[in-house]
Amino acid sequence: QKEVEQDPGPLSVPEGAIVSLNCTYSNSAFQYFMWYRQYSRKGPELLMYTYSSGNKEDGRFTAQVDKSSKYISLFIRDSQPSDSATYLCATHASGGSYIPTFGRGTSLIVHP
Amino acid sequence: EAGVTQSPTHLIKTRGQQATLRCSPISGHTSVYWYQQALGLGLQFLLWYDEGEERNRGNFPPRFSGRQFPNYSSELNVNALELEDSALYLCASSSGTSERDTQYFGPGTRLTVL
Repeated sequence: QKEVEQDPGPLSVPEGAIVSLNCTYSNSAFQYFMWYRQYSRKGPELLMYTYSSGNKEDGRFTAQVDKSSKYISLFIRDSQPSDSATYLCATHASGGSYIPTFGRGTSLIVHP
Repeated sequence: EAGVTQSPTHLIKTRGQQATLRCSPISGHTSVYWYQQALGLGLQFLLWYDEGEERNRGNFPPRFSGRQFPNYSSELNVNALELEDSALYLCASSSGTSERDTQYFGPGTRLTVL
C-alpha cells in the first residue's frame, strides 16, 4: 500500500460546479498537508498548506484534514475551465527530513 | 521575486549517455530537492541538498547523483541512461530552516532517452 493514495481520475465537471478532491494516507505521523496544482508540462504550484486537522480557506479553495480517518480533501467552489489541471496532495511528518510524500495526482477537467 | 529556474527545458539523449540537469533556487533558499515524475507515477523523491551537503537520498541507484554549489544552485547527473529514465525532472527549493517550510517547484526538465 502506498503511503498516500489518490484517485488519478480524470474527474470531469461542468463550469461552476463544486469540486471535491481527496487523498488518504497511512502514516499517522504525518502532520503537514499540502495541495499542489500542476498544469500540463509545468511544475507543481503550491495551493494550500495546513498543519494537523481542521479546515483552511483561501478564496474558492478549502483544504480539509481529518486525521482520525487519515483523509485529506480539497474543495473548489465555482470551478472554472482555468482550474483544469492535475492536483497533487502531499504530506510529511513533524521532525526529520522535511521530504513530503506525494500522491499520484488527480486530473481535473472543468468544461464550459 | 524570481522563482526556481531549471535548464534545459528539454533534453534528448540516447541510452548509455550521461545527462546533466541544472537548477537555480529562489533567492535566499538554501535547500534544493530533486524529484522524478514519470508518466503515470507520482513525484518520486531523488535527492535533497542543503548548505552544499547531501542531506537525504531517495530509493534510486547510484548513477543518479548531484551536487550543490556555493551559490546554492544545483546539478543533477544521471549516468548510463536507461529508457526508463525518461521523465520530467523537477527541482524545488525551500529555506530549509523549519519543518514548516514549503517547497517551491521549478518548471522541470523533460528528459527523453532514446
